[in-house]
Amino acid sequence: NAGVTQTPKFQVLKTGQSMTLQCAQDMNHNSMYWYRQDPGMGLRLIYYSASEGTTDKGEVPNGYNVSRLNKREFSLRLESAAPSQTSVYFCASSGLRGGRIPGELFFGEGSRLTVL
Amino acid sequence: GENVEQHPSTLSVQEGDSAVIKCTYSDSASNYFPWYKQELGKGPQLIIDIRSNVGEKKDQRIAVTLNKTAKHFSLHITETQPEDSAVYFCAATMGFGNEKLTFGTGTRLTIIP
Repeated sequence: NAGVTQTPKFQVLKTGQSMTLQCAQDMNHNSMYWYRQDPGMGLRLIYYSASEGTTDKGEVPNGYNVSRLNKREFSLRLESAAPSQTSVYFCASSGLRGGRIPGELFFGEGSRLTVL
Repeated sequence: GENVEQHPSTLSVQEGDSAVIKCTYSDSASNYFPWYKQELGKGPQLIIDIRSNVGEKKDQRIAVTLNKTAKHFSLHITETQPEDSAVYFCAATMGFGNEKLTFGTGTRLTIIP
């Protein structure tokens, strides 16, 4: 059972470089999310996709773009990386519980990004 | 928007003792309160949740209590074991979907053998 798979697990970038974090889930979930985790700040939502073909901003979207490629895949792109984007990034997905109630979030193992 | 405060930020307890983590929320319309556990190098995982129509929920050694009047909820872990060592996050939402979920800042729990 793979669940939510993120790549890469580690990445070092220089300021101004671009990169894409990939995420795939095999649970047939409609909703997918990108969070960042910083010390002392918990998890903050960057972007989410409630269903295939839709994306919306979360709490901290500046400097990021996303693509919901299909139902399984949701990618996060940094066009011009900045040191403030040094963080651990988590992808998550959720389905419906009982056919109607939003289910729990299933997280990937995280991608640690350092921007120099 | 919703604001969730979590205390303490770190907690050490002797194996076998109980641990309590407390959270407060600001929006009285919030109606769903999950708790996530994050082990080292892993993503968070849901361990228990509670909705606003109940005051307490238990699952083996874990329980969550909710006081809607005071706008606070707590995680209780009894008979702690070394595998309980992790970071715990509370969260709250008034929305129907997870996109409205606001997380606390986390509590690092260490169980001392």
